[in-house]
Amino acid sequence: EPEVTQTPSHQVTQMGQEVILRCVPISNHLYFYWYRQILGQKVEFLVSFYNNEISEKSEIFDDQFSVERPDGSNFTLKIRSTKLEDSAMYFCASSAALAGGHEQFFGPGTRLTVL
Amino acid sequence: AQTVTQSQPEMSVQEAETVTLSCTYDTSENNYYLFWYKQPPSRQMILVIRQEAYKQQNATENRFSVNFQKAAKSFSLKISDSQLGDTAMYFCAFTPDFGNEKLTFGTGTRLTIIP
Repeated sequence: EPEVTQTPSHQVTQMGQEVILRCVPISNHLYFYWYRQILGQKVEFLVSFYNNEISEKSEIFDDQFSVERPDGSNFTLKIRSTKLEDSAMYFCASSAALAGGHEQFFGPGTRLTVL
Repeated sequence: AQTVTQSQPEMSVQEAETVTLSCTYDTSENNYYLFWYKQPPSRQMILVIRQEAYKQQNATENRFSVNFQKAAKSFSLKISDSQLGDTAMYFCAFTPDFGNEKLTFGTGTRLTIIP
């Protein structure tokens, strides 16, 4: 069964460094999302992406964040200058369609630790 | 803005028993979708069940069923004949029936099935 994959599973970085989190969505999906979950808190929406542009972004998704679909398979989240409060699990998700409450399929997440 | 509340941070139940997880939400939308996602330890979130707000009939998927009370804005999940594999975090989530369908999550309920 197709699934969303994410790499790396765990990333440790120093404050101020740039990180790129990678996701491979399900191949025929068109809508892509990033969510994050700070330890002990709820899963929060960061950004959605469709047709090579951002559809919506949350207040969390400030200028330090960017997303890209550099080729036909990968979907990346870049944090330009990491802060301690960026430490969280980051989940990528994809869905086949937009309307009708289509299921979002989630990846296993990348645990980002900022020291 | 939509909010989702799960008031039970943790629950435990004996194997084969029935357990109900609570979820309430707040929205001004009339059409929307509600979901229960399951996140087993160290694994990705998977969809358990989905409810469309305009459908009065409660959704059912094998041992999983919901009690959807639209007027009360309540969406509880019942797990019958619970199994050890049901041990997981359970997240209630909401999305309106327009736009890019970002998910708004509750804080989750950690369910432990006791052998």
